[in-house]
Amino acid sequence: DAGITQSPRYKITETGRQVTLMCHQTWSHSYMFWYRQDLGHGLRLIYYSAAADITDKGEVPDGYVVSRSKTENFPLTLESATRSQTSVYFCASSEAGTGVQHFGDGTRLSIL
Amino acid sequence: GENVEQHPSTLSVQEGDSAVIKCTYSDSASNYFPWYKQELGKGPQLIIDIRSNVGEKKDQRIAVTLNKTAKHFSLHITETQPEDSAVYFCAASFMEYGNKLVFGAGTILRVKS
Repeated sequence: DAGITQSPRYKITETGRQVTLMCHQTWSHSYMFWYRQDLGHGLRLIYYSAAADITDKGEVPDGYVVSRSKTENFPLTLESATRSQTSVYFCASSEAGTGVQHFGDGTRLSIL
Repeated sequence: GENVEQHPSTLSVQEGDSAVIKCTYSDSASNYFPWYKQELGKGPQLIIDIRSNVGEKKDQRIAVTLNKTAKHFSLHITETQPEDSAVYFCAASFMEYGNKLVFGAGTILRVKS
């Protein structure tokens, strides 16, 4: 089915570990985004990508790494997880020029 | 950079009443203003949007108004129903900066039946 999928849906890990969140979209949208959602802060942009091999920082990029070797995939890596990165992470995609973002159902990440 | 403030943070209404959520933005260059609805355990979903060359837009029970001079925009939901209960987010963007959105902090809407 067409859409945007995130995996895993839930993840528990320990501080200092590396963890990668996956995002896959089937629309061939050029733009992809990673947000974190925390109570009282809404959705804050971590990184975004305008096309394959083009990525840029958002509002809260520290501690995160992204890559985009293929248009359909946009993984987010926490290289050394910290408790402050406990959050719900959303991936989104968008067709260039439309502004409309389509969101996945999120990954709830807990760092102990 | 752009900053979006959203009020109220929580809103409780009786079924059938109207609900209004307000947002202000700081960057006068912003020209695209979407509203998203987020249900429990799901990602946000676009419900309506407006561009800066339009003052008002309606879609059935939902309407959005934009005041560019005052830099604020509002979501109006009429004849509220229990299924309208959700978290609502406003956002702002300058489309020429790419498709990036800056979101407000969200409003929890509860419709009491």
